[in-house]
Amino acid sequence: QVQLVESGGGVVQPGGSLRLSCAASGFTFSMYGMHWVRQAPGKGLEWVALIWSDGTEKFYGDSVKGRFTISRDNSKNTVYLQMNSLRDDDTAVYYCAKNQENYYDLSSSDYWGRGTLVTVSS
Amino acid sequence: DIQMTQSPSTLSASVGDSVTITCRASQSIGTSLAWYQQKPGKAPELLIYQVSTLQIGVPSRFIGRGSGTEFTLTISNLQPVDFTSYYCQQYNRFPPTFGQGTKVEVK
Repeated sequence: QVQLVESGGGVVQPGGSLRLSCAASGFTFSMYGMHWVRQAPGKGLEWVALIWSDGTEKFYGDSVKGRFTISRDNSKNTVYLQMNSLRDDDTAVYYCAKNQENYYDLSSSDYWGRGTLVTVSS
Repeated sequence: DIQMTQSPSTLSASVGDSVTITCRASQSIGTSLAWYQQKPGKAPELLIYQVSTLQIGVPSRFIGRGSGTEFTLTISNLQPVDFTSYYCQQYNRFPPTFGQGTKVEVK
């Protein structure tokens, strides 16, 4: 069965950096785009980033563009989110999610991890 | 960016009721619309994609309709497990955007 397990969350000071990981299993990882979606405490869902199956293209939400970088290692079935210049409003649970369609088709997310909490605070 | 306006933000109902949540897009998104259910402290789960296609394992009491800019999620015969939050999402163009969510609570 499909499993997505995030790790790397924690408490970081404003201006600091953190790298999240998402280990995938149960499907052919190299065939699917992968998303990061976040949810601030008590708030709704905000899409953060997507990387295509082969890593050739990456897309970002405006609020993280230039500060966050999504990457993947298909040999390790893992997607990453490098977060730099963190701000208070980046505090959220970060979910990785599998793109439902394969390769290069933006679609809904059919599987989600349980999330990892990032707290930006001095 | 395409804005998704979801209403109502909160909905009060009883077990056995039928309820409808509406999602409006700021521009046409064709049929690139999904609905997610999220229980407290848990990850969202895909309910419906392509407006009306049920994800595997989702009960038939969940019905999605619409096209273009107006979409609805109807839950008929509400069950206790259905009292939670729901989000719409468009994936017609980047960035994919979510509605602000609807919480279905017990009347």
